[in-house]
Amino acid sequence: DAKTTQPTSMDCAEGRAANLPCNHSTISGNEYVYWYRQIHSQGPQYIIHGLKNNETNEMASLIITEDRKSSTLILPHATLRDTAVYYCIPGYGAGSYQLTFGKGTKLSVIP
Amino acid sequence: EAGVTQFPSHSVIEKGQTVTLRCDPISGHDNLYWYRRVMGKEIKFLLHFVKESKQDESGMPNNRFLAERTGGTYSTLKVQPAELEDSGVYFCASSPSIVPDSSQETQYFGPGTRLLVL
Repeated sequence: DAKTTQPTSMDCAEGRAANLPCNHSTISGNEYVYWYRQIHSQGPQYIIHGLKNNETNEMASLIITEDRKSSTLILPHATLRDTAVYYCIPGYGAGSYQLTFGKGTKLSVIP
Repeated sequence: EAGVTQFPSHSVIEKGQTVTLRCDPISGHDNLYWYRRVMGKEIKFLLHFVKESKQDESGMPNNRFLAERTGGTYSTLKVQPAELEDSGVYFCASSPSIVPDSSQETQYFGPGTRLLVL
């Protein structure tokens, strides 16, 4: 499985865009990049995923670099409820469907 | 549509006792997963069911843990006997039927069961 590197923590002012980077330089050509988050005391929540192209949904946007070695999750207008740990997870293990959670980035949205 | 539910939400037991955790996946989801986060550690995969069959149980820590999914609906995870290091949060997740491109699977998580072994 590809390894990921994410900042340990980030702060973002409420209402501003939160940009969360992830380095996944060892990602293979057919591995997707998934983003999940875990709000305190809740189960992980799917946010978005992509392969090569940038993606957008109602929650966030995902920007993947052309070489696919890194990506950025963008929360366009962060709210206090977006305070959570965000995980960047490349694809699945070969032959299985397990999600490999790393340490993630603790995003704190500041009023 | 109801999400993934887990029972109980909390459990406090003594070392050596048995605890059974239950997970009800989203209706119609063939795939069911168990994960756990022990104190100070990352969320780790335990096992994966496809319907009633164990597809991957490579993450099960030892033979004190037994997972079942009779009839391919709800699942139970039994810990017998429980040890102190089993304390943590146990998450269940489910996803729909396998699609040709398996990388597009999205997993839906339950709220977790918080287990404390004293």
